[in-house]
Amino acid sequence: DAGVTQSPTHLIKTRGQQVTLRCSPKSGHDTVSWYQQALGQGPQFIFQYYEEEERQRGNFPDRFSGHQFPNYSSELNVNALLLGDSALYLCASSPDWGRANYGYTFGSGTRLTVV
Amino acid sequence: AQSVSQHNHHVILSEAASLELGCNYSYGGTVNLFWYVQYPGQHLQLLLKYFSGDPLVKGIKGFEAEFIKSKFSFNLRKPSVQWSDTAEYFCAVSTNTGNQFYFGTGTSLTVIP
Repeated sequence: DAGVTQSPTHLIKTRGQQVTLRCSPKSGHDTVSWYQQALGQGPQFIFQYYEEEERQRGNFPDRFSGHQFPNYSSELNVNALLLGDSALYLCASSPDWGRANYGYTFGSGTRLTVV
Repeated sequence: AQSVSQHNHHVILSEAASLELGCNYSYGGTVNLFWYVQYPGQHLQLLLKYFSGDPLVKGIKGFEAEFIKSKFSFNLRKPSVQWSDTAEYFCAVSTNTGNQFYFGTGTSLTVIP
């Protein structure tokens, strides 16, 4: 049990559509980060949420947006899907934003396929 | 920008062989170093981490890693691999100036019984 829950596990979308992925952090964790893992690559940082605000962002276009709710759960939204958005999307949580760089707990991911 | 290199993309070993996976990073400041493992169909799990102190770090399942600051390296080792070690291994780096992790591209390890 990863402790971090992501839904759905798999998703198929058509180019141009919009998608929402969901994440529930591990109990006691208040900081949520999202990563994109393309096939054959390591995870790449999309953004991080703490206290319902985006605190840090990686090199991803504005089509990628997110939200964090008062219960610390989070959503990742991707608009105008491209074929290149096909990837495994990982959610990771950590117990303390100030020490988030000390380690994460990862979820099992959502496999997004854009056709 | 920070980057992490894992030079071994695919490694195939027989059971009981010794393992060493390379990891190099580019960043001149203070770093935190990690090795994660991803077993088939499972989530990323932390093997070990280094923040400071003894550069030889011991992790779970008999894995260890050595931080060599002068070489910007954090290589993963295991003296005797088992079939159950078959997985994808990722080296990752974080810095004290931000909360994001920089991952390498991963090394796929296959252990033959």
